[in-house]
Amino acid sequence: ETGVTQTPRHLVMGMTNKKSLKCEQHLGHNAMYWYKQSAKKPLELMFVYSLEERVENNSVPSRFSPECPNSSHLFLHLHTLQPEDSALYLCASSQVDIWSTEAFFGQGTRLTVV
Amino acid sequence: GNSVTQMEGPVTLSEEAFLTINCTYTATGYPSLFWYVQYPGEGLQLLLKATKADDKGSNKGFEATYRKETTSFHLEKGSVQVSDSAVYFCALSTISGGSYIPTFGRGTSLIVHP
Repeated sequence: ETGVTQTPRHLVMGMTNKKSLKCEQHLGHNAMYWYKQSAKKPLELMFVYSLEERVENNSVPSRFSPECPNSSHLFLHLHTLQPEDSALYLCASSQVDIWSTEAFFGQGTRLTVV
Repeated sequence: GNSVTQMEGPVTLSEEAFLTINCTYTATGYPSLFWYVQYPGEGLQLLLKATKADDKGSNKGFEATYRKETTSFHLEKGSVQVSDSAVYFCALSTISGGSYIPTFGRGTSLIVHP
């Protein structure tokens, strides 16, 4: 399998649930990202991991907790979410070297908080 | 900081019409520039890129030229098809402190009618 794979593709959860989103990349990249895409809003960068260390955290609420156990896997742990957290969550990866390169995206997880 | 501004949509065209989606950017250093496309229910896919001034990126009939003097990277296609209906994102990337932070525009929706 190649590219960036996200699971699940769709998730419905209650506000008191705990769930996790998973992202796996088979491209040998050394950086991974979580983005949130809401209707009628710009793409929001949530977290960046470079060489398995978190290098960016854009004031994301603590109910979102990322985990990067190795360079191929990235998780987003969710707990006590709000209805406004319903969105498409996109994972991406890239190779960081002297020349900046493009990000490769997964297909996203459509999250609905009820 | 870095930013990308692209024209608001939706852009509505008839099949075989000429397409232009404007994109301008602000960045420190020498960014790489990208156009991504997002089809309904999918993640973002790289459409084309340019890594230095005067480079032209092209793919599937789409073109964009990196214009440093006007800080622009406008997307063009000579004859659009219904299958080109999607949301198009202009983006840039720079290397900063060993990490790569892609910056995206708000996206422009393109609707092509038969």
